[in-house]
Amino acid sequence: DAGVTQSPTHLIKTRGQHVTLRCSPISGHKSVSWYQQVLGQGPQFIFQYYEKEERGRGNFPDRFSARQFPNYSSELNVNALLLGDSALYLCASLNPSGREGETQYFGPGTRLLVL
Amino acid sequence: EDQVTQSPEALRLQEGESSSLNCSYTVSGLRGLFWYRQDPGKGPEFLFTLYSAGEEKEKERLKATLTKKESFLHITAPKPEDSATYLCAVQAGGSQGNLIFGKGTKLSVKP
Repeated sequence: DAGVTQSPTHLIKTRGQHVTLRCSPISGHKSVSWYQQVLGQGPQFIFQYYEKEERGRGNFPDRFSARQFPNYSSELNVNALLLGDSALYLCASLNPSGREGETQYFGPGTRLLVL
Repeated sequence: EDQVTQSPEALRLQEGESSSLNCSYTVSGLRGLFWYRQDPGKGPEFLFTLYSAGEEKEKERLKATLTKKESFLHITAPKPEDSATYLCAVQAGGSQGNLIFGKGTKLSVKP
């Protein structure tokens, strides 16, 4: 079975630009979470979506937004990029109603560099 | 405030030298505690989920345990391929898919 997939793998942008990151969850998983991981830190929660509805939001500015599509894939959008947005962006999928319960499975991440 | 503290920040072991990593947590109603392994530049790889104090889980050379205040990841006779950063995360009761992570323990195993 394919795991969580993310695209692109790497991205370079300049300050002020906009970026869209994409994620496909594990087949059968209906929930997706997004995290930001800066170097040397643990991942920080940005959003969770379940069945296309936002179920949770972390402490991030309104420049960050996300959505989930009918096929359960998801996009994370970041507007007006700042240097501090440079990080590894991680997508995780979970199946809240399955036997795995709350376990989240992570994708390989998208490395974003803002110059 | 919910938080997770991992210690030590870094750990260097000789191959075969067993040790333990610590994860202390403060959370309002633990919904689950998770251990992940992360290699440089890659996404976290799931290892264990623990739900209640006293629970233990094992996988190859790794064993995770849970008390009401902390969790331990025991590594028995480690090999160089066990070198990675080990992340601990908790989910609080009432939260919606929000994992709170520690900063991780970077483990290096020398042959």
